[in-house]
Parts: sequence; C-alpha cells; structure tokens
Amino acid sequence: QKEVEQDPGPLSVPEGAIVSLNCTYSNSAFQYFMWYRQYSRKGPELLMYTYSSGNKEDGRFTAQVDKSSKYISLFIRDSQPSDSATYLCASIRTGFQKLVFGTGTRLLVSP
Amino acid sequence: DAGVTQSPTHLIKTRGQQVTLRCSPKSGHDTVSWYQQALGQGPQFIFQYYEEEERQRGNFPDRFSGHQFPNYSSELNVNALLLGDSALYLCASSLGTVSTEAFFGQGTRLTVV
Repeated sequence: QKEVEQDPGPLSVPEGAIVSLNCTYSNSAFQYFMWYRQYSRKGPELLMYTYSSGNKEDGRFTAQVDKSSKYISLFIRDSQPSDSATYLCASIRTGFQKLVFGTGTRLLVSP
Repeated sequence: DAGVTQSPTHLIKTRGQQVTLRCSPKSGHDTVSWYQQALGQGPQFIFQYYEEEERQRGNFPDRFSGHQFPNYSSELNVNALLLGDSALYLCASSLGTVSTEAFFGQGTRLTVV
C-alpha cells in the first residue's frame, strides 16, 4: 500500500467550475501536507502547505486536512483553463526530510 | 531571483553507462534534495544533501550517489544505467532540511536506451 494515494484522473471540468482534488494517506506520523501543481514537462510548483488538521486559503485555492480520516483536499474556485495541470499532494513527517508524493491527478479545464 | 536550475534538460544514455546531473539551488537556499519521477507517477525521494553531507536516503541502490559543493550546488551520479532508470530527475532546494517549502527545478529528462 502506498503511503499517499491519489486518483490519477483525468478530471475534466468546464471553466468556472469548483474543483475538488483529494488524497488519502496511511502514515499517522505525517504532520505537513502540501499541494504542488505540475505543468507538462515542468517541475512541480508549490501551491500551499498546511500543518496538521485545518483549512488554509490562498486566493482561489483552499487546502483542507482531516487527520481523523487521513484525508487531504484541494479546492479550486472559478477554475480557469490555465489551471489544467497535474496536481500532486505530498506529506512529510516532522523531523524527516523526504516528501512523500501521491501519483498526481490530471485536471483538464475546458473553455 | 534565479530559481532552481538543472542541467542538462534532456539526456540520452546507453545501458551500462554513467551519468551526472547538476543542480544549482535557489538563491539563499542551502539544502538540495533529489527526486526521480517516472512517467505517470509522483516523484520518489532519492536523497538530500545539507552541509555537503548526505542527510537522508530513500530506497535507491548504491548506483545512485551524490555530492554537494561549498556553494550549495549539487550533482547526482548514476552508474551502470538500467532501462528502468529512464525518468525525470528533479532537484528541490530549501532553506534548512525541512522540506515544507521546497522549490523544484524543471528537471532533467533521462532516457536510457
């Protein structure tokens, strides 16, 4: 079983839709949770990270962590065609250096 | 402000050969981590370098080795290349060893034939 699981998609939505991207994880020791966006043939770009449970908002993006259910979510409001990319969730244990990634979900936003 | 830069961007090697990939971290960062991303997969942690020492290593064989220089730049070396080593190799830099705000380079696409 992978430590971080993510549906690979693709997820297709029309422009302006609210997008929900999700991950589950198995390691209770994970304390930090990140979302990265990766365009084709590019490196991952950090969108935001949260510590432990709770919500964090940055513009059109909201990250949510529920440690009780080991569930990580990213919501994108008013989605744009430029949001079309692969979204990677990642987790890290306190005191450890390595990011543990999911496989990524490919998002397609059509005009 | 230059971000993380990697070279080369693409590389084709033959099975059994050796390869060296290079990374310059973002200005002000002192820690470099290397990841391997196979097609359709998330990045997998190879190792991290801080203060010119390997601090943590993922589940990769000894064929994968690295180095960090006094200017914080880093190299990833892979010996005895296998077809399965074909992947995008990503370098991430951060300030200190905690990777909560790691910045990635564009990667080096390695193809082994």
